[in-house]
Amino acid sequence: DADVTQTPRNRITKTGKRIMLECSQTKGHDRMYWYRQDPGLGLQLIYYSFDVKDINKGEISDGYSVSRQAQAKFSLSLESAIPNQTALYFCATSDPGRDTQYFGPGTRLTVL
Amino acid sequence: AQTVTQSQPEMSVQEAETVTLSCTYDTSESDYYLFWYKQPPSRQMILVIRQEAYKQQNATENRFSVNFQKAAKSFSLKISDSQLGDAAMYFCAYRRRGRDDKIIFGKGTRLHILP
Repeated sequence: DADVTQTPRNRITKTGKRIMLECSQTKGHDRMYWYRQDPGLGLQLIYYSFDVKDINKGEISDGYSVSRQAQAKFSLSLESAIPNQTALYFCATSDPGRDTQYFGPGTRLTVL
Repeated sequence: AQTVTQSQPEMSVQEAETVTLSCTYDTSESDYYLFWYKQPPSRQMILVIRQEAYKQQNATENRFSVNFQKAAKSFSLKISDSQLGDAAMYFCAYRRRGRDDKIIFGKGTRLHILP
């Protein structure tokens, strides 16, 4: 079984709709992250969380919000989706002992 | 602010040959980590290799090795005996050691393997 899972894997939605992307992990890591990947731009950090009560904005948090429901769950919401939020979204966890991030399989989001 | 630059958007290599992907970074920190991640067509981000800045020895993982030049702020990835399964997007990444552990990624290099 995958250590970091994301649902859904693919989603098409319309402008103005609210959408939630979910991430779960079984690695037992405290730190979780949401990234966005656009062609030619690499990965950009949206939000990150060091534990359930510690949530921080990343480089491109405008238009997004997050919820850390438990150590193992970290959700990303788009309150009112717009077409330029069409991208590949990754969740990741971090092992502070090895300082390495482990990524989920990604969610491809298309906003029409 | 830290930056990571990958100057080669695309590269090609013949199967079984060796290829080197370039990466430079900019930081004023002395203690940090560097990574290479692979993203195949499945889009999964896979850690290839990790280097700790305070270690002088270059990291190796089977056919993958790095040339870490701290003074030059250079971190290149060498893939030996290239295989078709190595075809992917490769991202160089930097992370400062410490609690503020955001990873900064380069824009990637797409590697093609020619049969």
